[in-house]
Amino acid sequence: DAGVTQSPTHLIKTRGQQVTLRCSPKSGHDTVSWYQQALGQGPQFIFQYYEEEERQRGNFPDRFSGHQFPNYSSELNVNALLLGDSALYLCASSLMVAGGPEQFFGPGTRLTVL
Amino acid sequence: GQNIDQPTEMTATEGAIVQINCTYQTSGFNGLFWYQQHAGEAPTFLSYNVLDGLEEKGRFSSFLSRSKGYSYLLLKELQMKDSASYLCAVRLRGSTLGRLYFGRGTQLTVWP
Repeated sequence: DAGVTQSPTHLIKTRGQQVTLRCSPKSGHDTVSWYQQALGQGPQFIFQYYEEEERQRGNFPDRFSGHQFPNYSSELNVNALLLGDSALYLCASSLMVAGGPEQFFGPGTRLTVL
Repeated sequence: GQNIDQPTEMTATEGAIVQINCTYQTSGFNGLFWYQQHAGEAPTFLSYNVLDGLEEKGRFSSFLSRSKGYSYLLLKELQMKDSASYLCAVRLRGSTLGRLYFGRGTQLTVWP
C-alpha cells in the first residue's frame, strides 16, 4: 500500500519563476491538503482539495493555486516566486467522510528560491 | 488568529520521561493532534484528543484540558530515536480534517 508520494524531492528556482509541485494521496484517500513549512516553523495550511474543488483556503495570496485530478492526485502551483517562498511543501491526504482523525503526510518537496 | 504555543527546545536522557506542553487560544475547538517530525522527513501522526483526559498509546500519552486550552505529550522510556520535533496542532470547529493549525514545534534531543 503506497503512502503519500510527492515530486520532485528538491527544486531550485529563481525569483519571478513559476513552479508546479505534485502529490499522490494514500490509496483510498480522496482529500489532499497542502502545507508550507518554513525552516524552524510548524506547517501552515495553504488549501485543501476534495472532489476536484478547492474546499478551504488558508492565508496565502492568489499566487498559490492548485488542482485536483479525477484520480485524487493534486498539484500546487506558485507563480511569481519570491525569496520568502523557500520552504518545505508538504502534502497530506485523508478521507473526507467516515475517516479516522489521522491524515498522512508525504515526504515533502524542498523548494529553494534564489 | 489562532495562537498555539509550545517550548522551542527540550533535552532529556535515554530512559527518562519527558512532558511537552502545548497551550492554545483558538476561536472554536474540535480536536488536538500531536505529530512527530524527524529532520528532513514528513510529520507522522502520534495522537488525537477531542475530549478531556488522557489517551495512552504505548510509550506515548497525550492529555487534554479544553477548559484550560492545554495539552501535553508524555514520552516514557526515552530512546535515542525519539530525538525529533514534536508538533502540536489544533482543528477548529467547522473545519475539515485536513485543515490544522500547527505550533512551531518542540525540538527534543535525547542524550545517551
